[in-house]
Amino acid sequence: GESVGLHLPTLSVQEGDNSIINCAYSNSASDYFIWYKQESGKGPQFIIDIRSNMDKRQGQRVTVLLNKTVKHLSLQIAATQPGDSAVYFCAERGGNFNKFYFGSGTKLNVKP
Amino acid sequence: KAGVTQTPRYLIKTRGQQVTLSCSPISGHRSVSWYQQTPGQGLQFLFEYFSETQRNKGNFPGRFSGRQFSNSRSEMNVSTLELGDSALYLCASSLGSGLVAGELFFGEGSRLTVL
Repeated sequence: GESVGLHLPTLSVQEGDNSIINCAYSNSASDYFIWYKQESGKGPQFIIDIRSNMDKRQGQRVTVLLNKTVKHLSLQIAATQPGDSAVYFCAERGGNFNKFYFGSGTKLNVKP
Repeated sequence: KAGVTQTPRYLIKTRGQQVTLSCSPISGHRSVSWYQQTPGQGLQFLFEYFSETQRNKGNFPGRFSGRQFSNSRSEMNVSTLELGDSALYLCASSLGSGLVAGELFFGEGSRLTVL
């Protein structure tokens, strides 16, 4: 399952609020998922990952939830800060070495 | 610890030319993957190399090729450039490949513009 990036949805939140970014993945055999953050002019930066044998993983201010039943992934950012403004991508590995399929991305806009 | 280094960062070519991009992975990482990023198609997998062997290949024409050296550094080449090849080319390194693979660490990319 490849994802095609044709439209970039935007999520606008107030500084200090919690953000939830969603991603639907396509391959039920995908075994590993990563959330990336990409700022303008930079390469994607790792945020958090989760393996398919888990349904929740927490990091610093971030939580990833995995629902394999509906093939859905979400990233929750607590107390969103202006520095969190970026494009967020989910990536799924289809069980085939390091071949990852990326979602189209969500632009997070944090208003001060 | 140095991150993934890509060179050149920016380059401009004309149609029909060829280009070679270079990637130095994080020290100790043996897997190098290449991705093409465009506004219309997002991030698309090109290929992955591990221990100098191509492990995976995406759905790109044969004009796109790559290789990996014994020190894990990788190059990708695009021949007979087309306007549609204008993109950000991202290299990512990982400690391993297959079941032991983990997160991908990306470089800043090489921005190619084809005129």
